[in-house]
Amino acid sequence: GAGVSQSPRYKVAKRGQDVALRCDPISGHVSLFWYQQALGQGPEFLTYFQNEAQLDKSGLPSDRFFAERPEGSVSTLKIQRTQQEDSAVYLCASSLGGGGGTEAFFGQGTRLTVV
Amino acid sequence: GQQLNQSPQSMFIQEGEDVSMNCTSSSIFNTWLWYKQDPGEGPVLLIALYKAGELTSNGRLTAQFGITRKDSFLNISASIPSDVGIYFCAGHLGTYKYIFGTGTRLKVLA
Repeated sequence: GAGVSQSPRYKVAKRGQDVALRCDPISGHVSLFWYQQALGQGPEFLTYFQNEAQLDKSGLPSDRFFAERPEGSVSTLKIQRTQQEDSAVYLCASSLGGGGGTEAFFGQGTRLTVV
Repeated sequence: GQQLNQSPQSMFIQEGEDVSMNCTSSSIFNTWLWYKQDPGEGPVLLIALYKAGELTSNGRLTAQFGITRKDSFLNISASIPSDVGIYFCAGHLGTYKYIFGTGTRLKVLA
């Protein structure tokens, strides 16, 4: 497809379980962002990739969160030992240019519920 | 985390009315983006602004990049029921990330 694709759309995890969320950016887009959106809030930045390089991970809330983009296209956000406070929508966005600052297009998100 | 201030927080309007909302920051931004988000969906990009003072339109939508570079405005003319949703502004500082606003929830009464 032409847009950013995320999978799964919904994930229910038991507390303590590890989860992996996938993002397929728009083909050729250099920049890839992960955001976390709590209910009723705006998206909050987690991490940024320029091609395969993770240039900013300042928004990752703890060392249980890990993201990678090994070949500069598909990215995976992994959350280890999930906690209830991790329940949120995880959004991925991509943009054509490096460094951000250009139009960023979002996927539909993955809604994670930790029970 | 840091979020930009959007106002109003929510609004009910009659179909056909014009709508104005704004986004303010204590920081200077280089780029402003405006998004609309429907329930259960990701944000959809509406308008991008790159220069202070820039005025850009997309159909019934018009957005402006404030002269001070600390604010941006979005106007919707002749609102229709499908305009319902949450509108977010996002500013880019020149670092990698976009900072999002708190959102304006728009409800249109037919």
